[in-house]
Amino acid sequence: AQKITQTQPGMFVQEKEAVTLDCTYDTSDPSYGLFWYKQPSSGEMIFLIYQGSYDQQNATEGRYSLNFQKARKSANLVISASQLGDSAMYFCAMREGRGQKVTFGTGTKLQVIP
Amino acid sequence: DADVTQTPRNRITKTGKRIMLECSQTKGHDRMYWYRQDPGLGLRLIYYSFDVKDINKGEISDGYSVSRQAQAKFSLSLESAIPNQTALYFCATSDSWTDSNQPQHFGDGTRLSIL
Repeated sequence: AQKITQTQPGMFVQEKEAVTLDCTYDTSDPSYGLFWYKQPSSGEMIFLIYQGSYDQQNATEGRYSLNFQKARKSANLVISASQLGDSAMYFCAMREGRGQKVTFGTGTKLQVIP
Repeated sequence: DADVTQTPRNRITKTGKRIMLECSQTKGHDRMYWYRQDPGLGLRLIYYSFDVKDINKGEISDGYSVSRQAQAKFSLSLESAIPNQTALYFCATSDSWTDSNQPQHFGDGTRLSIL
């Protein structure tokens, strides 16, 4: 079974609108962390936001927030007030337990339309 | 200067050639990783090293080998390159002593094309 599933290969959003990128995960470890990365067309991987399995509140970083629903095993990224510079690939990833290996999803390509 | 440096940034080579991709870091991290990225497949782990004497295979290690020459250096080799190894390769680092909420730190990637 896939540990990280991103079901949206591509999405469009109008500039200044909010968009939600989906991520579901699968683990039996009670301790885990979820990460979102952005990959612009230039190729580098940019860390956006982190959510720990024991965190009581949803993570937020500026325009990025993580809608963490533990019972559903989902960790969706919400980008508010989309900007043209948000056009990129977005990857969800999970680290299980104290191990440092991280498993990545297949990514969602977001295109922001002016 | 970048904390995680990959060389070369781009490489085009022919089938059967031996290729080495190099990664060096100035972050002082003990753990280093090599990933490859293919369209539609995300990032997949090739090899990882938790310290200089500890090297482990990832999910797609066949056709690759690695060397951890020092804590700061981790190289990936393709002994006899084949076209389906054409991909974007990333090196990443992490620190075992920090909280698990710290992200991996990535190099800028190496675009490898095998003709």
